[in-house]
Amino acid sequence: DVKVTQSSRYLVKRTGEKVFLECVQDMDHENMFWYRQDPGLGLRLIYFSYDVKMKEKGDIPEGYSVSREKKERFSLILESASTNQTSMYLCASSSVQGAREKLFFGSGTQLSVL
Amino acid sequence: KQEVTQIPAALSVPEGENLVLNCSFTDSAIYNLQWFRQDPGKGLTSLLLIQSSQREQTSGRLNASLDKSSGRSTLYIAASQPGDSATYLCAVFDSNYQLIWGAGTKLIIKP
Repeated sequence: DVKVTQSSRYLVKRTGEKVFLECVQDMDHENMFWYRQDPGLGLRLIYFSYDVKMKEKGDIPEGYSVSREKKERFSLILESASTNQTSMYLCASSSVQGAREKLFFGSGTQLSVL
Repeated sequence: KQEVTQIPAALSVPEGENLVLNCSFTDSAIYNLQWFRQDPGKGLTSLLLIQSSQREQTSGRLNASLDKSSGRSTLYIAASQPGDSATYLCAVFDSNYQLIWGAGTKLIIKP
């Protein structure tokens, strides 16, 4: 089975801190995604990557950056955390056959910014 | 612009009942449709994926159907159990290779 691992389940940070959220997948998937999920707003795409060192903005990239130095790892960076970035962050991966393949999710990281 | 709607937002039924969750989308030009399950505070688990050329997919007590022409998909759960309680989300892969999400239906199965 595909395994997508997010480094932390719960994280508490202070306003202004730089925050790193790590995601690792073990199935050699080319595609990786970062979403945030908020009550009443559903899932919103922050960034995605179709290959190493490649990144594309999603619907809400402001305040975030990403890094994909290795195929299995996709990192989400909050350059200067703000309270409105308190959310559940979900990482996902899929194979290069893109539209035809299932999306596999990690367990999520609940981030609280105080 | 593709929009995905799930109605109702919440549903509560007694254990043992068969039930149907609905998902509708505005643009029939899709590549596939996926149904996911999410338990509270957890990530999402893919349940079923229906390609645009398919009409339905089955996995155990779950059956998902797709009618592209009417922009609808249903997830049928047979003989519901308390363990089926979760939020169910549908998502379509649209013609721009973007995954468009519904807001989900929160399902509660009462013992």
